[in-house]
Amino acid sequence: KQEVTQIPAALSVPEGENLVLNCSFTDSAIYNLQWFRQDPGKGLTSLLLIQSSQREQTSGRLNASLDKSSGRSTLYIAASQPGDSATYLCAVSPLNDNYGQNFVFGPGTRLSVLP
Amino acid sequence: KAGVTQTPRYLIKTRGQQVTLSCSPISGHRSVSWYQQTPGQGLQFLFEYFSETQRNKGNFPGRFSGRQFSNSRSEMNVSTLELGDSALYLCASSEYLLGGGELFFGEGSRLTVL
Repeated sequence: KQEVTQIPAALSVPEGENLVLNCSFTDSAIYNLQWFRQDPGKGLTSLLLIQSSQREQTSGRLNASLDKSSGRSTLYIAASQPGDSATYLCAVSPLNDNYGQNFVFGPGTRLSVLP
Repeated sequence: KAGVTQTPRYLIKTRGQQVTLSCSPISGHRSVSWYQQTPGQGLQFLFEYFSETQRNKGNFPGRFSGRQFSNSRSEMNVSTLELGDSALYLCASSEYLLGGGELFFGEGSRLTVL
């Protein structure tokens, strides 16, 4: 069974710090891994999609890496800002469609960036 | 390009009633997935539709159902509402089936069951 975990569950940092969020998954047979952010009471906003053949993706201050063999992904946020405060979720899409769903989500990391 | 649109955004129902939620995907996307999000359970997959056919279904009772129309718009229905059905219901669209493409979410429909 594909399970996704995220560490830490919550993180509080001062503005300007660089930070790393971690995502682990149990089955390395995946199509894609996607990172999202979610503001309170809102939907999920796609940040980065890493295909299984890729090792990393970058968008602005965000960089996500993927190590399929170890079942890990990290999201690096450079020069954090108060506007980055949100919950960050990672999700993987299993290659084995017997899992019965398209993406399996982690529980998220709640980030607070203090001014 | 318009994003994923969900209606209504908020609704309040009483136990035993039924509710229908609507989702319009991004133009050109044929896959529509539905998720339930609660503080205790996180994001849980309900079902995925592709070209008007249900392709996957999560572990939810038969009270939860859905359909997709020829224009890819989707609806989900919950009958005989229970207090535990109170949640944020999220719709996501994608070009491809079964997680083969990027997921894009709507803002959600917040359902409160009294």
